[in-house]
Amino acid sequence: DAGVIQSPRHEVTEMGQEVTLRCKLISGHNSLFWYRQTMMRGLELLIYFNNNVPIDDSGMPEDRFSAKMPNASFSTLKIQPSEPRDSAVYFCASTLYFNGATDTQYFGPGTRLTVL
Amino acid sequence: DAKTTQPPSMDCAEGRAANLPCNHSTISGNEYVYWYRQIHSQGPQYIIHGLKNNETNEMASLIITEDRKSSTLILPHATLRDTAVYYCIVINNYGQNFVFGPGTRLSVLP
Repeated sequence: DAGVIQSPRHEVTEMGQEVTLRCKLISGHNSLFWYRQTMMRGLELLIYFNNNVPIDDSGMPEDRFSAKMPNASFSTLKIQPSEPRDSAVYFCASTLYFNGATDTQYFGPGTRLTVL
Repeated sequence: DAKTTQPPSMDCAEGRAANLPCNHSTISGNEYVYWYRQIHSQGPQYIIHGLKNNETNEMASLIITEDRKSSTLILPHATLRDTAVYYCIVINNYGQNFVFGPGTRLSVLP
């Protein structure tokens, strides 16, 4: 299995531009998580989905951020408009089905976003 | 909501056991203890988890105290490739509060 795939691996953009990060789940997994990691705040959960349905988006920082799962194996995280403070490494992770504490998450390699 | 505290950094000699402590004194009965690690520039990697019994897998052992207020992750024979940040987190049956703290930066020294 190829594992969780994220693209792009690096993204540099200018303030005000729209940014779209992509994630492909491990085949057969039904839960998808988006995280953001910065030096200041560490690793933060932004949102997670079960079977394409957003379950908890309380970590999404503001309306500029949106996440979707157009199908069972793919997700996007969009930032519009982007700001310099959005600069971070964004990880997605997947698991079989997140219905409790016994499910481990498999993380992708991350997308390093720099907003100038 | 249980929170965890870990020492910010530790050193370990290559080939020796690395014992990483974690305090979770406010853990509740339905919360599991999970350990992940993050090697530089990579995504976090699952290591092990447990509820109240000690657990062992091919990577590590997890020792949870009887009162469940603390735990220790043991890497029995640390190698240079085990140098990473190790995160101890607690999570309940509903998957809530999946919060990574600052973790422990383990340096395995030759």
